[in-house]
Amino acid sequence: NAGVTQTPKFQVLKTGQSMTLQCAQDMNHNSMYWYRQDPGMGLRLIYYSASEGTTDKGEVPNGYNVSRLNKREFSLRLESAAPSQTSVYFCASSERVQGSTGELFFGEGSRLTVL
Amino acid sequence: AQKITQTQPGMFVQEKEAVTLDCTYDTSDQSYGLFWYKQPSSGEMIFLIYQGSYDEQNATEGRYSLNFQKARKSANLVISASQLGDSAMYFCAMRGRNFNKFYFGSGTKLNVKP
Repeated sequence: NAGVTQTPKFQVLKTGQSMTLQCAQDMNHNSMYWYRQDPGMGLRLIYYSASEGTTDKGEVPNGYNVSRLNKREFSLRLESAAPSQTSVYFCASSERVQGSTGELFFGEGSRLTVL
Repeated sequence: AQKITQTQPGMFVQEKEAVTLDCTYDTSDQSYGLFWYKQPSSGEMIFLIYQGSYDEQNATEGRYSLNFQKARKSANLVISASQLGDSAMYFCAMRGRNFNKFYFGSGTKLNVKP
């Protein structure tokens, strides 16, 4: 059981380049999320998708776009990368089930450097 | 607005001793959930413990317990009998009434000394 898989794990971009971070989960979860982690700031929500076909902005959506391709996959796109987007990106999923905690399940993270 | 505050950027604890990591939260929701995650130096996020706002008893999971004080809006993590492997970043998080949003604190870096 792979859980949440995100690719690539490392990426170096030049300012202005574009790229897409891919995320897939095999737990049949409805909700998926993209977070960024920066030193001293914890994890901040970029975008989330409550269910297939819906996406919504989080705390720091500027400079990003997302696509919920199907129930399994949720991608994050940087159209024109900036040095301020240098960060570690985490994809996560969750499901609200009666009697469960509904915690977030995380991918391993993607370290992005923008020069 | 939801907010999570962790006021201890870093802490040290002696091996085998207990340690408390502080977390306060701010929400106007009546129904919410509180979570603690561990992030070792390898980078993965590991779920530790959960407390629901309507749970009357403090949550416990092995050596982890959550000291939930609803009136004070605090949800401190207590680790008993610290081990070297407990050295990591610890994040407190809250999920509000809108199930789809989780908010995280800035984290506490715990170092366990032999």
